[in-house]
Parts: sequence; structure tokens; C-alpha cells
Amino acid sequence: AQSVTQLDSQVPVFEEAPVELRCNYSSSVSVYLFWYVQYPNQGLQLLLKYLSGSTLVKGINGFEAEFNKSQTSFHLRKPSVHISDTAEYFCAVSDYDYKLSFGAGTTVTVRA
Amino acid sequence: DARVTQTPRHKVTEMGQEVTMRCQPILGHNTVFWYRQTMMQGLELLAYFRNRAPLDDSGMPKDRFSAEMPDATLATLKIQPSEPRDSAVYFCASGTDRNTEAFFGQGTRLTVV
Repeated sequence: AQSVTQLDSQVPVFEEAPVELRCNYSSSVSVYLFWYVQYPNQGLQLLLKYLSGSTLVKGINGFEAEFNKSQTSFHLRKPSVHISDTAEYFCAVSDYDYKLSFGAGTTVTVRA
Repeated sequence: DARVTQTPRHKVTEMGQEVTMRCQPILGHNTVFWYRQTMMQGLELLAYFRNRAPLDDSGMPKDRFSAEMPDATLATLKIQPSEPRDSAVYFCASGTDRNTEAFFGQGTRLTVV
């Protein structure tokens, strides 16, 4: 069984400031890791994914995440946020069958 | 561009009524997932199919929910009878064995009054 913990439910941040969203997972098997973004009244869009290889993963819209196996973490970062990054962000883990288990989500609010 | 299409986008219905939600996966995708999103429970996997065969529906209340894939271009999620606690946003997602990514539809927002 797998589970995901997103350590922050809400993250307020000023425009052009950096942001980090924390995610820890637990699993008894090798996993794939994902970050999705959900804008208001929209579906989920993939930001980035880690399957294997380099532990630093770059995604869309300037986001990146680092897989840390020893700490079972997959934190998401962006060096400079925009107002348009205001959204809810979900960390997810899947097994070989790509069934996703999601964290509770982190709401990012970017202020001018 | 290719996308997962869900209909209807919004549905308001009275308790006890039957509700059917439809999903058209991306052409060529052989895996379809149904998720439910609520404030209390977050995103939960209800069921998923591969090559139209149900692989796991353990997340679905069996007494009132049913999911099917009549053909490769249509997945349905039915609730009969509906209850107020079923109010949620229901997402369909599709993918393949190769791309490891699930593409989500816009969701159906269901309100049962």
C-alpha cells in the first residue's frame, strides 16, 4: 500500500518569491511520483513526474522536484512564482499499474 | 488537441434519482480511471479499467455505484439511487501502458439534493 503526506495545506507567497511544497510518501515497493496542479473548476494537469534516473526532475511552468529516496520525499520548488501559479497542487504516488494515490493537496496563493 | 471529455460538466439531481456520468478517453488510450474529489476525502480512486476490463473497483460502493466500458471510446459511471453524500466532483482519466501519465478530464460536478 502507498500513501502520500503533503505537509502544508496552505502556502501564501508573494509574487516573484520562491516556493517549496513538501511531499513525503510511504510505499513497500518501488514507486513512481508525480505532481499535479488543479486550477479552479478544472481537471488535474501534470506538472512533472519521477520514474527513474536523475533525482532532479524539471517540469512545466518552471517547476522542478527532487526525489530523495532516503527521506522518502519529493518536494516541489519554483524559484519565482507568478500570480497565475495560484492553484491547488497535488503530490501523488503510483505503483507499476499507474493507479494514483494522492495527497490532500496544498493550496498556493500568490499575492502581488 | 487530444483530451479526455466528460459529460455532463454539472449535474443537480434529487436524492433517489439515477445519475449517469460519461467519459470519452483519449483515442488510443487503453486505461481508464474514475476518481472522486470531495473536501473531506480528497481524491479517491473509485475504479479503473484496462482494455475495457475492470481491474479494480474496490474504491466504489458496490450497492449503488457501477462502472462500465461499453466500448473503447466510452466509459460510464452510474449511481442508483443517488444520495446527498455522493455530491462531489467525479474525474475520469485515461492513459496507456507506455506513457505512465494519467490525463484528466474536466470533471463532472454532481450535487444531490
